[in-house]
Amino acid sequence: KAGVTQTPRYLIKTRGQQVTLSCSPISGHRSVSWYQQTPGQGLQFLFEYFSETQRNKGNFPGRFSGRQFSNSRSEMNVSTLELGDSALYLCASGQGSWTGAKGATNEKLFFGSGTQLSVL
Amino acid sequence: DAKTTQPPSMDCAEGRAANLPCNHSTISGNEYVYWYRQIHSQGPQYIIHGLKNNETNEMASLIITEDRKSSTLILPHATLRDTAVYYCIVRVESGGSNYKLTFGKGTLLTVNP
Repeated sequence: KAGVTQTPRYLIKTRGQQVTLSCSPISGHRSVSWYQQTPGQGLQFLFEYFSETQRNKGNFPGRFSGRQFSNSRSEMNVSTLELGDSALYLCASGQGSWTGAKGATNEKLFFGSGTQLSVL
Repeated sequence: DAKTTQPPSMDCAEGRAANLPCNHSTISGNEYVYWYRQIHSQGPQYIIHGLKNNETNEMASLIITEDRKSSTLILPHATLRDTAVYYCIVRVESGGSNYKLTFGKGTLLTVNP
């Protein structure tokens, strides 16, 4: 079974530009979540998508957005790039079953290798 | 959010057991303890998770104290490839979502030859 695929692996942009990152989850997985990793802040949750709907969102400005397609592939977009957006962006795939407010579904996430974004 | 506390770094000799501690004194009754690790330049990798009972899989064992305020991840025979940052996470449930993991700084485990 193929793992989580993120493209591109490396990206260099300049301030003010926008960027789109892509993530293909494991076949059959319906949930995709995105994380940003920087040396200073560590791993931080950006947002999560399930069946083309954003299910949860972290504390990031509106310049960070995402979407999910009917085949579960996901993209995230960062507009008006700032130097501080330089980071490793990680995508995680999960089967997507959840029980709502009650209980827990014990699901584990499968992460891709990430896209290393450098903003100059 | 239940927070976790881990030592910033640990060393272990190759072939010996590595015991990584984690404190999560504010954990709620229905929150699970998850362990992930991240090898340099790769995405985090799931290791194991548990609620109350001790758990074991092909990678590791997880020992959770009876009061659930702390846990220990055990790698029974550490190898050089186990050198990584290990994250202990208490899963936050937010509006039914199970995927908002709150990562701390983790423990850098260095396995020495």
